[in-house]
Amino acid sequence: AQTVTQSQPEMSVQEAETVTLSCTYDTSESDYYLFWYKQPPSRQMILVIRQEAYKQQNATENRFSVNFQKAAKSFSLKISDSQLGDAAMYFCAYRRRNTGKLIFGQGTTLQVKP
Amino acid sequence: KAGVTQTPRYLIKTRGQQVTLSCSPISGHRSVSWYQQTPGQGLQFLFEYFSETQRNKGNFPGRFSGRQFSNSRSEMNVSTLELGDSALYLCASSSTGLSDEQYFGPGTRLTVT
Repeated sequence: AQTVTQSQPEMSVQEAETVTLSCTYDTSESDYYLFWYKQPPSRQMILVIRQEAYKQQNATENRFSVNFQKAAKSFSLKISDSQLGDAAMYFCAYRRRNTGKLIFGQGTTLQVKP
Repeated sequence: KAGVTQTPRYLIKTRGQQVTLSCSPISGHRSVSWYQQTPGQGLQFLFEYFSETQRNKGNFPGRFSGRQFSNSRSEMNVSTLELGDSALYLCASSSTGLSDEQYFGPGTRLTVT
């Protein structure tokens, strides 16, 4: 069975600084997707970034980028120039190709200090 | 385009009752997935529907059921409610559910007393 692990329950970062959230996963599949979702206090889950396993190039979305290490089964999220609005819970998620089932990690609460 | 909508947003029920939650996907989306979020268990997949058929199912007891209508709207039902069913129930829609992104609704907060 696939599993996703986020080992950092809480992280904090100073406004304008950079922070990296860690995620590891376990799967025997070779074709899958990885995601980072943000859940602010409103509880609305928002997709931050997506990575396709067959793509070696790391995904980037504005201030958000990932470090995808397929062999190590590691998928970290880097947030540059942190803003107060980045404060939220962040979930790493895995999805096998051709299925709508997302498997989530336990989440990391990110605090941004002014 | 309107986003995913879920009704009701908040619900209080008593143990032993049953409840039905509704999810309207983004227009044109045919896949709807349901998730349960609790502080203890985190986010867990309940089931996924595509074109009125259940395509995937998580590890939940038979008290949890769902269905999808021809307009892609989906409902989930929980019978014989238990205190442990108190949770935020999220639904997500996508075009096909295969390789495209899932967009989440705001959730329904269910409290069982």
